[in-house]
Amino acid sequence: DTAVSQTPKYLVTQMGNDKSIKCEQNLGHDTMYWYKQDSKKFLKIMFSYNNKELIINETVPNRFSPKSPDKAHLNLHINSLELGDSAVYFCASSSGSNPNEQFFGPGTRLTVL
Amino acid sequence: GNSVTQMEGPVTLSEEAFLTINCTYTATGYPSLFWYVQYPGEGLQLLLKATKADDKGSNKGFEATYRKETTSFHLEKGSVQVSDSAVYFCALATSGTYKYIFGTGTRLKVLA
Repeated sequence: DTAVSQTPKYLVTQMGNDKSIKCEQNLGHDTMYWYKQDSKKFLKIMFSYNNKELIINETVPNRFSPKSPDKAHLNLHINSLELGDSAVYFCASSSGSNPNEQFFGPGTRLTVL
Repeated sequence: GNSVTQMEGPVTLSEEAFLTINCTYTATGYPSLFWYVQYPGEGLQLLLKATKADDKGSNKGFEATYRKETTSFHLEKGSVQVSDSAVYFCALATSGTYKYIFGTGTRLKVLA
């Protein structure tokens, strides 16, 4: 069984559209994260939720809005997509007893045309 | 602020060569240190970790020792294989935070 899964794996869309990426973890973790990996492979955290509450919110445009309906899910909604949003987005999770060990999903490659 | 510096890649080696990928860090407090590996087209996988000074993390023939005096966590492998070709990320996390700081990644290419 996949521990951290993301859908879709690939997403190609036009500038100005709104899109969502979904993430689910079946590890029983209570903390989830979104990371962005740019074309140079640089990884940067965007958001983190602990028990459905936002605990990390880096300098990210407010076009990006995370939503955590429950502890096992953290979705990322992006409004008015721009060319610069093209990247690979990774979801991750960790447990409260060991928050420093994170488990990553396979990534969603977003291409904005 | 906290930061991680990795050697620039790509690193190209022949099979069975010795590998070192340098990683140094700057952090307040006592961070935990990690190496993650990303194989082509896949997500990141934890390779090894160390949570305190002088700890040695090891996995799949890879090793790294947490050196507080030199603020380093260099990744080594005695004999690389073609299947080790991937991007390797060094990362730190300080106690009580939920945030990883990643290095820029080092691409390793191993030739048969």
